[in-house]
Amino acid sequence: AQSVTQLGSHVSVSEGALVLLRCNYSSSVPPYLFWYVQYPNQGLQLLLKYTTGATLVKGINGFEAEFKKSETSFHLTKPSAHMSDAAEYFCAVSVRGGSYIPTFGRGTSLIVHP
Amino acid sequence: NAGVTQTPKFRVLKTGQSMTLLCAQDMNHEYMYWYRQDPGMGLRLIHYSVGEGTTAKGEVPDGYNVSRLKKQNFLLGLESAAPSQTSVYFCASTNGAASSYNEQFFGPGTRLTVL
Repeated sequence: AQSVTQLGSHVSVSEGALVLLRCNYSSSVPPYLFWYVQYPNQGLQLLLKYTTGATLVKGINGFEAEFKKSETSFHLTKPSAHMSDAAEYFCAVSVRGGSYIPTFGRGTSLIVHP
Repeated sequence: NAGVTQTPKFRVLKTGQSMTLLCAQDMNHEYMYWYRQDPGMGLRLIHYSVGEGTTAKGEVPDGYNVSRLKKQNFLLGLESAAPSQTSVYFCASTNGAASSYNEQFFGPGTRLTVL
C-alpha cells in the first residue's frame, strides 16, 4: 500500500519569495508521483508528474519538483511566488503495475501576501 | 472537448431526500471515480469504475451507490441524504487501461448541502 504526507496544511509566502511545498511518500514499489493544483471553486488540474527518467520535473506556471528516492520525497518549488499561485496543492502517488487508484495527500493551502 | 462535466453544480437537500449526481466525460476514458472533499481531509474516494458496467467501493462508500451503464457517464446516488454527506463532490476520469502513470482529469465539482 502507498501513502502520502504533505507537511503543513497552510504555507504563507510573500509575493516574489520562494515557494516550497513538501510531500513525502511511502511505497513498496517504485512510485508514480503527481502534483495537482486546485484554484478556488474549481476542480483539480495536473501541475506536473514524475514517472521515470529525469528526477527533476518541470510543470506549468513555473513550478518544478524533484524526485528523491533516498528521502522518499517529491517537494514542489517555484522560485518566485505570484499572487495567482494562491491555491490548494495536492500531492498524489500511484504504484506501477497496480490498478490505477492513486492516493492523495490532505493538501496544502498556499497563501501569497502582497 | 468539454473534458469532465458534472451536474448539478449546487444542490441543497433535506435529510432523507435522495438525489443523483451525474458525471460525463468525452475523452473515452476507461476509469472513472467519485471523490468527496471535506476541509482538512483532502480527497476521499467513494466509488470507482474500471469500465462500462463495472463499479467498486472506495474508501468511504457507505450511503452512496453508483452506476456506469455507459462508458462516458458515471452516476453517484444518495438514497437517503444525511447531514454528514454535506461536502463537495468531484468526479474524475483517466485512461487507466494504459498505465497507472496517467493523470486524472477532474470535473468542476458539485457542492451539496444536506440540512
